[in-house]
Amino acid sequence: EAHLVESGGGLVQPGGSLRLSCASSGFTFSSYAMTWVRQAPGKGLEWVSAISASGGSTYYADSVKGRFTISRDNFKNTLYLQMNSLRAEDTAVFYCAKGLGEFLYVFNYWGQGTLVSVSS
Amino acid sequence: EIVLTQSPGTLSLSPGERATLSCRASQSLTGSHLAWYQQKPGQAPRLLIYGASSRATGIPDRFSGGGSGTDFTLTISRLEPEDSAVYYCQQYGSSPFSFGPGTKVDIK
Repeated sequence: EAHLVESGGGLVQPGGSLRLSCASSGFTFSSYAMTWVRQAPGKGLEWVSAISASGGSTYYADSVKGRFTISRDNFKNTLYLQMNSLRAEDTAVFYCAKGLGEFLYVFNYWGQGTLVSVSS
Repeated sequence: EIVLTQSPGTLSLSPGERATLSCRASQSLTGSHLAWYQQKPGQAPRLLIYGASSRATGIPDRFSGGGSGTDFTLTISRLEPEDSAVYYCQQYGSSPFSFGPGTKVDIK
């Protein structure tokens, strides 16, 4: 069974940067699309970014475009999210999740999330 | 950009009753690329339905999805206490792969 573990969250000042990682196991990582989804405290789910199985296609929400970069290392079975120019409104639990297929952006396995807090 | 709206915001029902949740898209979803997730407090979301009507692995058959185009439904045929959660729809036909705002289901 697929297993995803996020890391890299923490407290950062506005304007700062963080890099999230998502280590995967239990499935052929290079065969599946992956995504980051966030949830602000007490709020609903917000899709952030997605990447195809090969890494050749990437997608972003307008709220993070130009500030966040998604990438993956199919040899290390790890997904990344580089977050720059962080704002208070980026405070959220960030989840990584596995797609149903190479280009299928519906997500059947999720990590437990990592908390990002942006505050001075 | 496709915007999803969900109704009602909150549903309060008794065990054994039937719950019908609605998700409406601002544009027609190609290929019925609509999914439903369940999220309980302090937990990650869980995929219930994809392709509008296909149950994900391990999901009980009391959960069913339907609809096409712009109007979709999630039905829970016989509510159980553990079904108390927030339910989100998500479209994955085109980026941004948006979620709806959620429907909270309370079991009395």
